[in-house]
Amino acid sequence: QSALTQVASVSGSPGQSITISCTGTSSDVGGYNYVSWYQHHPGKAPKLMIYDVNNRPSGGSNRFSGSKSGNTASLTISGLQAEDEADYYCCSYTSSSTLVFGGGTKLTVL
Amino acid sequence: VRLLESGGDLVQPGGSLRLSCAASGFTFSGYDMTWVRQAPGKGLEWVSTIHATTGRTYSADSVKGRFTISRDNSKKTLYLQMNSLRAEDTAVYYCAKVVVAGNNYYYYGMDVWGQGTTVTVSS
Repeated sequence: QSALTQVASVSGSPGQSITISCTGTSSDVGGYNYVSWYQHHPGKAPKLMIYDVNNRPSGGSNRFSGSKSGNTASLTISGLQAEDEADYYCCSYTSSSTLVFGGGTKLTVL
Repeated sequence: VRLLESGGDLVQPGGSLRLSCAASGFTFSGYDMTWVRQAPGKGLEWVSTIHATTGRTYSADSVKGRFTISRDNSKKTLYLQMNSLRAEDTAVYYCAKVVVAGNNYYYYGMDVWGQGTTVTVSS
């Protein structure tokens, strides 16, 4: 199972909105509504930001939202803040009953 | 709600290691559990998942036949038995709790993660 495709890096200024995309195939992202997104600050535990394509976990920030179209899922962060600077990973269920992560996107807040 | 991994160490290629993940603050037996790893300079990689109570397991092709996930619900502990270790298994290993309670909900996502334990495979 190949990793899902994410752009290596994105950047934005405080207050702006950015979108991170995650492209797979009909055997993973396109075939199921089971995409989750994680924020990972190096040296810390990853944090769930979105599950089930567009659901926020309890206590999650409403500045984070998810969507999906075809084989591509997206994470949008609105009102960028300095603390949003981190690595972001998508994850999808696959037709082999496994999970697959994306390669990760490094978000820089300018 | 907390997960605490242990057992990481320096081991020679071909060696074995068992990782543990102690859970607290939630009904451990009510949730599927997963191991995820991150090799140095690389992204997150799913390793293995086990159902809450059925014991059914799923593993990545990269570890199938070498790694075994298991759990002891009475001890609230998740395990990862790692055999025939290779240099490419060098990584920080995280255990994670699935966000939805019940068996076979592992694909929804993981809402609680441990801090990780480091495995280094080198001679």
